[in-house]
Amino acid sequence: AQSVTQPDIHITVSEGASLELRCNYSYGATPYLFWYVQSPGQGLQLLLKYFSGDTLVQGIKGFEAEFKRSQSSFNLRKPSVHWSDAAEYFCAVGAGYSSASKIIFGSGTRLSIRP
Amino acid sequence: GAGVSQSPSNKVTEKGKDVELRCDPISGHTALYWYRQSLGQGLEFLIYFQGNSAPDKSGLPSDRFSAERTGGSVSTLTIQRTQQEDSAVYLCASSLHGEANTDTQYFGPGTRLTVL
Repeated sequence: AQSVTQPDIHITVSEGASLELRCNYSYGATPYLFWYVQSPGQGLQLLLKYFSGDTLVQGIKGFEAEFKRSQSSFNLRKPSVHWSDAAEYFCAVGAGYSSASKIIFGSGTRLSIRP
Repeated sequence: GAGVSQSPSNKVTEKGKDVELRCDPISGHTALYWYRQSLGQGLEFLIYFQGNSAPDKSGLPSDRFSAERTGGSVSTLTIQRTQQEDSAVYLCASSLHGEANTDTQYFGPGTRLTVL
């Protein structure tokens, strides 16, 4: 069964600094991978998703993620964070079959921004 | 257009009472999902609707939990005889086609349930 691990529970970075949030997945076939962001009091918003093709995926708000099959990773990056990026970030994996309806979410990484 | 809406936004209930949580998906979306987010935890899948039928209800934690969807639109999640461990934020999402592995899911703001 597929699973997702986000090893960092909480990360603090300075405004303007670069960011990398780690995500490792477990899945036997080619995974479908997602990053969602949840701002305080808000629902989840999709940042980006990977299905196939180019392993570097561009998303909204200046985020990108790179799929590395050899490392079973899908880390999220941003070159320069803004105070508004403070939120909870969730990595997720979906099964590669049309009958599979659920996406498995990681436990999340909370990002704080230091002024 | 309007996004996914959920009501109530907050619900406080006493242990043993029944509660109903409502989700209005984006108009035209055929698929609807319920998740549970407990404090400090990720999202736990509960149930998935394609139209009015639920091909995957594997995540419902017990028979106290049930859900229905009518008219291919509004869904209600019902928790009977609530327990304190049911306290969580219940999130609803919808997607256009229901291919959860490819469709973007649009999430509502959630209902925060507190069982005293």
